[in-house]
Amino acid sequence: QSVLTQPPSVSGAPGQRVTISCTGSSSNIGAGYDVHWYQHLPGTAPRLLIYGHINRPSGVPDRFSGSKSGTSASLAITGLQAEDEGDYYCQSYDSSLSGYVFGTGTKVTVL
Amino acid sequence: QVQLQESGPGLVKPSETLSLTCTVSGGSINNYYWSWIRQPPGKGLEWIGYIYSSGSTNYNPSLKSRVTISVDSSKNLFSLNLTSVTAADTAVYYCARTDTSMVADAFDIWGQGTMVTASS
Repeated sequence: QSVLTQPPSVSGAPGQRVTISCTGSSSNIGAGYDVHWYQHLPGTAPRLLIYGHINRPSGVPDRFSGSKSGTSASLAITGLQAEDEGDYYCQSYDSSLSGYVFGTGTKVTVL
Repeated sequence: QVQLQESGPGLVKPSETLSLTCTVSGGSINNYYWSWIRQPPGKGLEWIGYIYSSGSTNYNPSLKSRVTISVDSSKNLFSLNLTSVTAADTAVYYCARTDTSMVADAFDIWGQGTMVTASS
């Protein structure tokens, strides 16, 4: 049972904007621990998309952006493309569990 | 560029020990954190634990009694041992790197993953 809750699925047409929420608590996101986002496409290794709430590693398109407010964080994908279809996970540290935790995961479908 | 490759048996009998190795190529194992993460079929990602290149470790409390992660700097690899496996340990196992100087405590490089099934 993950302590970071994401919607099971989101969908959008090509070119549209979708957002994925990641709801935590005062022992993880609300405590100020960094939130990171990963893209996991079928048959591939997870890929770091966003680190430290808002930062993109080199090579990640600026179509992907992150934000954080209170005990929640969000990932936005603008200009949705067919290649974006896959699973997305948030991740942070939880002081109550004394370890790293992942979100429940969100499946992005491009209509 | 740095690449990670997991290796080990794909089938482990219940009650036995799961042993995996992650070989780091294209860069040094020193001065980074190295983690194991798994994904059971149809489920999400679960962090198992990490080791720093110096040997200090931190494990997921839910697995701590069964997990040991070790590092061999001379061979540029680190390993996972998970004892007393059950069917619930069936998963794809990933190794991953954390470069705290660049991406805070995120996992910036991942291996391709290896499927391990616990079954008799």
